Amino acid sequence: SQTIHQWPATLVQPVGSPLSLECTVEGTSNPNLYWYRQAAGRGLQLLFYSVGIGQISSEVPQNLSASRPQDRQFILSSKKLLLSDSGFYLCAWSSPGPTHNEQFFGPGTRLTVL
Amino acid sequence: AQSVAQPEDQVNVAEGNPLTVKCTYSVSGNPYLFWYVQYPNRGLQFLLKYITGDNLVKGSYGFEAEFNKSQTSFHLKKPSALVSDSALYFCAVRDTGGRRALTFGSGTRLQVQP
Repeated sequence: SQTIHQWPATLVQPVGSPLSLECTVEGTSNPNLYWYRQAAGRGLQLLFYSVGIGQISSEVPQNLSASRPQDRQFILSSKKLLLSDSGFYLCAWSSPGPTHNEQFFGPGTRLTVL
Repeated sequence: AQSVAQPEDQVNVAEGNPLTVKCTYSVSGNPYLFWYVQYPNRGLQFLLKYITGDNLVKGSYGFEAEFNKSQTSFHLKKPSALVSDSALYFCAVRDTGGRRALTFGSGTRLQVQP
């Protein structure tokens, strides 16, 4: 069966510090991968998605970047965090192929920028 | 552009009563619609999806949803609510245009009272 991992689970960082959040998927090949941010426990904002190694699409111009160095690894980064980067970051995957495949979410990373 | 509306921030229902969480959508072409549930500080869990076919879709934990094309709605239902159903519920529509990501509604908090 497939599983998705995110770490760390929680993170407190000062403004201006760098960020690296990691997401890995097990039990599937060539998944579509996604990064979402959820602010204030409500709506989800799509940040990045990837359909293959090195292929990243950015949805919102911002302080963050994403990379996919391996087939089942997706990394969210920042060189200098802003207060507004605080939130709950969710990674998700879906199978390649039919575009109606559901997405499966990881447990999330709670980021607080102080 | 596609969009999803969840008109109720919160729905309150007594345990044992039927529940409905409302969702309406706007999308060009045929919609692919999804429902997810989120428990506190957790990732989203997939409940069910509508792709084509029967307008009544059955999903996990006794939930079902009714697709209504004329009203552009996809309401989530359950015949008998449980206290453990209390959570945040998200409706989502798959984006058109090939990017395979989901557009989420703002979420509805379901509170089931004992």
